[in-house]
Amino acid sequence: GAGVSQSPSNKVTEKGKDVELRCDPISGHTALYWYRQRLGQGLEFLIYFQGNSAPDKSGLPSDRFSAERTGESVSTLTIQRTQQEDSAVYLCASSLDSRTGNTIYFGEGSWLTVV
Amino acid sequence: GENVEQHPSTLSVQEGDSAVIKCTYSDSASNYFPWYKQELGKRPQLIIDIRSNVGEKKDQRIAVTLNKTAKHFSLHITETQPEDSAVYFCAASITGNQFYFGTGTSLTVIP
Repeated sequence: GAGVSQSPSNKVTEKGKDVELRCDPISGHTALYWYRQRLGQGLEFLIYFQGNSAPDKSGLPSDRFSAERTGESVSTLTIQRTQQEDSAVYLCASSLDSRTGNTIYFGEGSWLTVV
Repeated sequence: GENVEQHPSTLSVQEGDSAVIKCTYSDSASNYFPWYKQELGKRPQLIIDIRSNVGEKKDQRIAVTLNKTAKHFSLHITETQPEDSAVYFCAASITGNQFYFGTGTSLTVIP
C-alpha cells in the first residue's frame, strides 16, 4: 500500500480482555516499530523489528505485552489482560533497512480504550 | 540507552514571528535526527531531518541545526502561520537501531 496501515483504528475493550492490534508496513520496508502514545504525551518505544534479526523488545512495559512479525510483513501487537492504563494510541512505523539510516513513517494509529 | 530532552513543552508565538524548539541527546553515537509534526488526532509526519555529518539544513521556512560537540539540535520555524500549530517531536537514532523521541512541544501560532 501507499502508507503504513493499522487496524483497528479504534478499539474499546473491557478490562481484563485481550486485544490484538495489526500493522501493515509500507511494502519493501524491512524495519518496523511500535510506539505507545498516551493522551497528550510523547512517543514511548515498545518494540522494534529489523528483517530477520531478533527484535528489540526492551520497551515492552510488562509481560502482558508481546508482538510478532511475519517475515518482513505484517506485525501484531498483543496486549493480554488489558488494564485501564493501557488506554492509549498505539502507533506503528516502518522504514527501509534501518541499518542504512532511513526515515521512519508512521501509521494513523490504533486508539485503544480500556473500560 | 539514549535520552532525548525537548524544550519548551509549550510555545505560543504571534503569526509571523519565529519559533525555536531545542533538543539535547545523551549518546554521542547518535547520527540521525528527524523532526516530526503531529496535528491533533493525526499521525506524526516527518518535516525535516539532519544527519551527523551536517551542521545545518534548511527547507523553506524550516531549518534544523546540529551541534555534535554539545549534543543538541534545534528546529527553527520562521514567518510562522496558524497552520504551523501542532505538536513537534524531535528524535535521535543510531543507524540500525530504534528511534528515541523527545516529549514534544505544543506550538500555538496566534493569528
